[in-house]
Amino acid sequence: AQTVTQSQPEMSVQEAETVTLSCTYDTSENNYYLFWYKQPPSRQMILVIRQEAYKQQNATENRFSVNFQKAAKSFSLKISDSQLGDTAMYFCAFMKHAGAQKLVFGQGTRLTINP
Amino acid sequence: EADIYQTPRYLVIGTGKKITLECSQTMGHDKMYWYQQDPGMELHLIHYSYGVNSTEKGDLSSESTVSRIRTEHFPLTLESARPSHTSQYLCASRDRADSPLHFGNGTRLTVT
Repeated sequence: AQTVTQSQPEMSVQEAETVTLSCTYDTSENNYYLFWYKQPPSRQMILVIRQEAYKQQNATENRFSVNFQKAAKSFSLKISDSQLGDTAMYFCAFMKHAGAQKLVFGQGTRLTINP
Repeated sequence: EADIYQTPRYLVIGTGKKITLECSQTMGHDKMYWYQQDPGMELHLIHYSYGVNSTEKGDLSSESTVSRIRTEHFPLTLESARPSHTSQYLCASRDRADSPLHFGNGTRLTVT
């Protein structure tokens, strides 16, 4: 079974700083997808960024980028020029490419951006 | 933008009551999911469906049941609510195998 681990329960940075959230996972699969989801307080969970394991290039979405290290099974999220609206719970998630395509989530990291 | 709706948003109910949490999506997605999430904690998959008349139990054991009679509708039912069922329930859907999940706003359930 796949597992996803986020070792940072909480993080806090000042506005405009860069912050990196860590995520590691365990799987015997070779093809899979990795995601970062954001859950603002009392609001809907939304997708931040995703990575396909067979793509070596790291995904980027504006201020959000990932550092995908397949051999190390690591998938960190970097938020550049952080904004107050980035305050949220961030969840790393794993999904197999084939078979029962269920997302497995990590424990989450509570990120606070301070003014 | 995804359209997936959950009702009610909040529910406080007494022990022993039967409840149904509603989830509907207007995108024609085949795959739908129910996750249970305690406040500030990770999400646990409790049910999923790959299409009409297809339902499977998830990784976390749950006393709830689901049905999928129509593509757009995936309700979750608790026959007899207990305080241990107090949690947030998130519904999600997606279309293609490689597409991300679209989540509803969730139902925060409190059983007294």
